[in-house]
Amino acid sequence: QKEVEQDPGPLSVPEGAIVSLNCTYSNSAFQYFMWYRQYSRKGPELLMYTYSSGNKEDGRFTAQVDKSSKYISLFIRDSQPSDSATYLCAKYSNYQLIWGAGTKLIIKP
Amino acid sequence: DTAVSQTPKYLVTQMGNDKSIKCEQNLGHDTMYWYKQDSKKFLKIMFSYNNKELIINETVPNRFSPKSPDKAHLNLHINSLELGDSAVYFCASSQPPPGQHTGELFFGEGSRLTVL
Repeated sequence: QKEVEQDPGPLSVPEGAIVSLNCTYSNSAFQYFMWYRQYSRKGPELLMYTYSSGNKEDGRFTAQVDKSSKYISLFIRDSQPSDSATYLCAKYSNYQLIWGAGTKLIIKP
Repeated sequence: DTAVSQTPKYLVTQMGNDKSIKCEQNLGHDTMYWYKQDSKKFLKIMFSYNNKELIINETVPNRFSPKSPDKAHLNLHINSLELGDSAVYFCASSQPPPGQHTGELFFGEGSRLTVL
């Protein structure tokens, strides 16, 4: 079992919908979590990070960590075609960054 | 002004050849990385240097050799290329907070290697 599991998708939703992207993780050592966004033929860029359980909000994006169920989520409100990208979750633990495989998101106009 | 730049962006070569990819960052970061991203988008760390010193050396064939002439540059040389080496190679840099090995990663645009 990989330390960070992520459904590769693709996930296709209509413009304006609320998007939910999820990862599960194993190993409960102290950690923080990151979401990166990667546009086609570009490098990943940091979208959000969070240290603890609960929610963190930044504009249309909300990152949520549920440590009891080892679940990491990213919610996108009022999704736009420009949000179409691959979203990678990552966990920092034991001096390493562990990556999920990425979920490809397609927002249809 | 590009923060992390890598060259070339595209590389098509024959099996058995040797090739190099260069990376430069102008962010003043101490730590640089090479990642390999396969066709399924899975990012795998290969190497990490902190101030020209190798700190992460994952299980990678010794045909891959990184070199850091200074903390702003990290190059990757690959000998005897194989079909399985086809992937996108990303250079990244970060400035880790005290007590950590990784901070926010800033990635280059990637070098797409195709081995025929």
